[in-house]
Amino acid sequence: ETGVTQSPTHLIKTRGQQVTLRCSSQSGHNTVSWYQQALGQGPQFIFQYYREEENGRGNFPPRFSGLQFPNYSSELNVNALELDDSALYLCASSLAPSGGDEQFFGPGTRLTVL
Amino acid sequence: GEDVEQSLFLSVREGDSSVINCTYTDSSSTYLYWYKQEPGAGLQLLTYIFSNMDMKQDQRLTVLLNKKDKHLSLRIADTQTGDSAIYFCAETGQTGANNLFFGTGTRLTVIP
Repeated sequence: ETGVTQSPTHLIKTRGQQVTLRCSSQSGHNTVSWYQQALGQGPQFIFQYYREEENGRGNFPPRFSGLQFPNYSSELNVNALELDDSALYLCASSLAPSGGDEQFFGPGTRLTVL
Repeated sequence: GEDVEQSLFLSVREGDSSVINCTYTDSSSTYLYWYKQEPGAGLQLLTYIFSNMDMKQDQRLTVLLNKKDKHLSLRIADTQTGDSAIYFCAETGQTGANNLFFGTGTRLTVIP
């Protein structure tokens, strides 16, 4: 069974650019959540996708958007990058979006915005 | 909104017990979690407790929940150097959903 994978591992962008991060869910999982973890902070919930539809969103501006594909893999897109977007971006997959369903986290993508 | 607080640092000697504390604000949370993050790695779920329980034990880990005070603790017995990591407390924000709200994390250092 393959765990959650993310690509790329590291990324450097400049302010104003756009970035796409990718996540491959654990086999059989139809729910993907994305989190932003700034240095020295806990992860913050960005949004969740369930069966290709957005299923909840945290306090992030619309320039953070996402997609989930029929194979349940997912993308996080960030437009008009700002310096404060520098962080570790984590995705997590689960069997369903229910409270008791464990989220399995990927290793993250470290984004640096210069 | 949800707010989860933890102390930032804890140092213990190898073989001692570690107790990591957390307070949360959302009384509707149905699940409370403890995650471990090692350097350069993602998050690993250690254990979780359902909100109608007050204690859960899993090998060296003991979770205590005081729902009245909204206080959660994680006790690690016989702490080992491999336990050195950042520990996050997390709650689910809405009943029935599994999006997580995390604390800032407690960095546990185990001294040999």
